[in-house]
Amino acid sequence: GENVEQHPSTLSVQEGDSAVIKCTYSDSASNYFPWYKQELGKRPQLIIDIRSNVGEKKDQRIAVTLNKTAKHFSLHITETQPEDSAVYFCAASKRENKLIFGAGTRLAVHP
Amino acid sequence: DAGITQSPRHKVTETGTPVTLRCHQTENHRYMYWYRQDPGHGLRLIHYSYGVKDTDKGEVSDGYSVSRSKTEDFLLTLESATSSQTSVYFCAISDLTGGGTGELFFGEGSRLTVL
Repeated sequence: GENVEQHPSTLSVQEGDSAVIKCTYSDSASNYFPWYKQELGKRPQLIIDIRSNVGEKKDQRIAVTLNKTAKHFSLHITETQPEDSAVYFCAASKRENKLIFGAGTRLAVHP
Repeated sequence: DAGITQSPRHKVTETGTPVTLRCHQTENHRYMYWYRQDPGHGLRLIHYSYGVKDTDKGEVSDGYSVSRSKTEDFLLTLESATSSQTSVYFCAISDLTGGGTGELFFGEGSRLTVL
């Protein structure tokens, strides 16, 4: 079955810097790649997603890129702010929205 | 927030006892999921349902069973709880029909401690 690896497990940046989180997946048939953000004590929530027919997608300060050949995708956050501090999860799926998640990245943005 | 509630929100039980967690939705979404969240492992899929009485295994299904007798309810049962099942359990729903995006909407989580 699908396996998703996520790196780094922790990431610390200064406010205003950029942050990049990378994920690789194993099943070449996967076609949907969302990113979820989980603030401390809260439920995970979708922040951005990308489908396999698109190479890049942006939404204000966040962007996701997909390299199908290499089977990896990345989350980019620019101009980080303290409220970006959270755990971020990547995920992949190929059918029925059976999402398989990475282990998560704990992002800390220091003022 | 999507209409999804989990119960109980917190439970402490002893090894060997049965435990049932309930997920209830008011969104009429077709798909329902149970994930467990543990430090260092992220969110791992236990079981999911793609319709009433239609369920399938996820990544870590051993020791768990599920049932979905109504669209709105998805039950997760630990027949004989073990300490390794101490975790935070999240229910999620999604809808790929009628223009749905496939986004997962999560419940608030149920924290289970098995002593």
